[in-house]
Amino acid sequence: QKEVEQNSGPLSVPEGAIASLNCTYSDRVSQSFFWYRQYSGKSPELIMSIYSNGDKEDGRFTAQLNKASQYVSLLIRDSQPSDSATYLCAVHAGNMLTFGGGTRLMVKP
Amino acid sequence: DAMVIQNPRYQVTQFGKPVTLSCSQTLNHNVMYWYQQKSSQAPKLLFHYYDKDFNNEADTPDNFQSRRPNTSFCFLDIRSPGLGDAAMYLCATSRELGGHEQFFGPGTRLTVL
Repeated sequence: QKEVEQNSGPLSVPEGAIASLNCTYSDRVSQSFFWYRQYSGKSPELIMSIYSNGDKEDGRFTAQLNKASQYVSLLIRDSQPSDSATYLCAVHAGNMLTFGGGTRLMVKP
Repeated sequence: DAMVIQNPRYQVTQFGKPVTLSCSQTLNHNVMYWYQQKSSQAPKLLFHYYDKDFNNEADTPDNFQSRRPNTSFCFLDIRSPGLGDAAMYLCATSRELGGHEQFFGPGTRLTVL
């Protein structure tokens, strides 16, 4: 069974700090990796996609992928209270997307 | 703006009373998905359409059906809702299968009384 694992949190960081969110996956043939942000009661919003090993930066967000270790992470620099949400890691293998259970991030002013 | 639209945003039904949720998209994507998400859980894929080709997940109950009359619209029918079907239902689209980004609509919150 293909699995995507995340620490459920909550991960609490002070405003302005770096938040680090981690995800591991079990299917070695996975090729595409995504991070979604989900506010309470809302639908998931795509914030990052990454397809090759290394780092990908977009504004305050950096996604990191290590296929050998089956590990993907999301760094949020200069965290803001508006970043408080659940972050879902999603991994694509074959035709389907498998979601992790999400990590709840709390950014405290 | 290109987008994924779901109606209604909130739906209340009675135990056993059929309900239909709708999804439309202006992205002209080939693939449309229906997910079920319960509180504090990951979205669970129910089925997807690649164009008119329907693909059901193995563990999706028969109580759930779907229709895609054209590229833009997709419907989720719950024939006899049970209390356990109360959840957020999410429609998503992607340009193609195989690793393309999926974009979600706002969701429909279903309550079963």
